[in-house]
Amino acid sequence: AQSVAQPEDQVNVAEGNPLTVKCTYSVSGNPYLFWYVQYPNRGLQFLLKYITGDNLVKGSYGFEAEFNKSQTSFHLKKPSALVSDSALYFCAVRDPPNSGNTPLVFGKGTRLSVIA
Amino acid sequence: DARVTQTPRHKVTEMGQEVTMRCQPILGHNTVFWYRQTMMQGLELLAYFRNRAPLDDSGMPKDRFSAEMPDATLATLKIQPSEPRDSAVYFCASGRGGTEQYFGPGTRLTVT
Repeated sequence: AQSVAQPEDQVNVAEGNPLTVKCTYSVSGNPYLFWYVQYPNRGLQFLLKYITGDNLVKGSYGFEAEFNKSQTSFHLKKPSALVSDSALYFCAVRDPPNSGNTPLVFGKGTRLSVIA
Repeated sequence: DARVTQTPRHKVTEMGQEVTMRCQPILGHNTVFWYRQTMMQGLELLAYFRNRAPLDDSGMPKDRFSAEMPDATLATLKIQPSEPRDSAVYFCASGRGGTEQYFGPGTRLTVT
């Protein structure tokens, strides 16, 4: 069965500093990996995904993530954090579909707090 | 700007009452998901449909929850009777092919 671990419940970073939100996964076969962000009282917004190809994936709002197959990790990064990046971040995985879209399995989420 | 819409956004009800949540997926998306978010369990899948046919509803308590897609523009999630432990945020998401899923704003349900 697929699973995702986000080892940190909370990450604090000063504005302007680089940030990393960690994610490791466990799947059989090749994974589809995703990052979503949730702002208070809002739905989840898609940030980026890894399907295949280049291990460094660039997404929305200046975020990027690095896929590392040997470490089964997919850490989210941003070179310079903004206060407005403060939110709840979810890593998710799903099996490559034979056809069509399939359900996501989410990590527990990491709350990012960027301090001015 | 295509979006998934959900109604109602908030619902407060008493234990034992029926609750119906509605979702309008993005036009052209053939797969619709219902997820539930709680502090204890995080985000978990309740059910999903492809081309309006249910593919997996193993995450739902069958005795009280039901999910349907009367047509391609409407998905419903019904709880009857509701219980306090059903209090959560219920998200609908839609997608197509191998792409990412797009989430609605959620329905925050409180059962007293």
